[in-house]
Amino acid sequence: AQKVTQAQTEISVVEKEDVTLDCVYETRDTTYYLFWYKQPPSGELVFLIRRNSFDEQNEISGRYSWNFQKSTSSFNFTITASQVVDSAVYFCALSEAGGYNFNKFYFGSGTKLNVKP
Amino acid sequence: DGGITQSPKYLFRKEGQNVTLSCEQNLNHDAMYWYRQDPGQGLRLIYYSQIVNDFQKGDIAEGYSVSREKKESFPLTVTSAQKNPTAFYLCASSLVIGGSYEQYFGPGTRLTVT
Repeated sequence: AQKVTQAQTEISVVEKEDVTLDCVYETRDTTYYLFWYKQPPSGELVFLIRRNSFDEQNEISGRYSWNFQKSTSSFNFTITASQVVDSAVYFCALSEAGGYNFNKFYFGSGTKLNVKP
Repeated sequence: DGGITQSPKYLFRKEGQNVTLSCEQNLNHDAMYWYRQDPGQGLRLIYYSQIVNDFQKGDIAEGYSVSREKKESFPLTVTSAQKNPTAFYLCASSLVIGGSYEQYFGPGTRLTVT
């Protein structure tokens, strides 16, 4: 079973539109971590945010905001007033538990965002 | 500037040849990882290492080998036993091995085997 599902394979918007990228996860652990990464055309994954399972507060960073809802096992990412530079593939990832044992990252299959001028 | 470097950016090889992908980090991170990415897919873990001279197989280790002789370096060898080696390879590191720590990625190496 998929641990992280990003159902939107590709989204196209026009510049200045708001866009939300969905992420649904599955875990039985009570302690886990969620991440978002951006992969621009150059290929490098850029870390955007980490959220632990005990912190359901939404977070805003500039035009980016994240909505974490444990009740629906979702960690959605919204870009406000999108720009062409936001065009990239965005990955959501889950890591279970913490501590110093290896905890694998489960990556979703990614959502490709196209922002057109 | 701290970061992860991978070289080369593009690599072409003939089938049957082994090839080694370089990964170096100057973030002073203990843990390092290798992932493979195929078109339209997420990342799959090949190998990981939590400390020098120690490494473990990930989900798709067959046909690959690694070494970790220095903290800064974690090279990946794609052997001729890897049946479908053409892919984009990403190296990553994290402060330590625990899942609470974000992983930082290098720019990747695109390997094409013909």
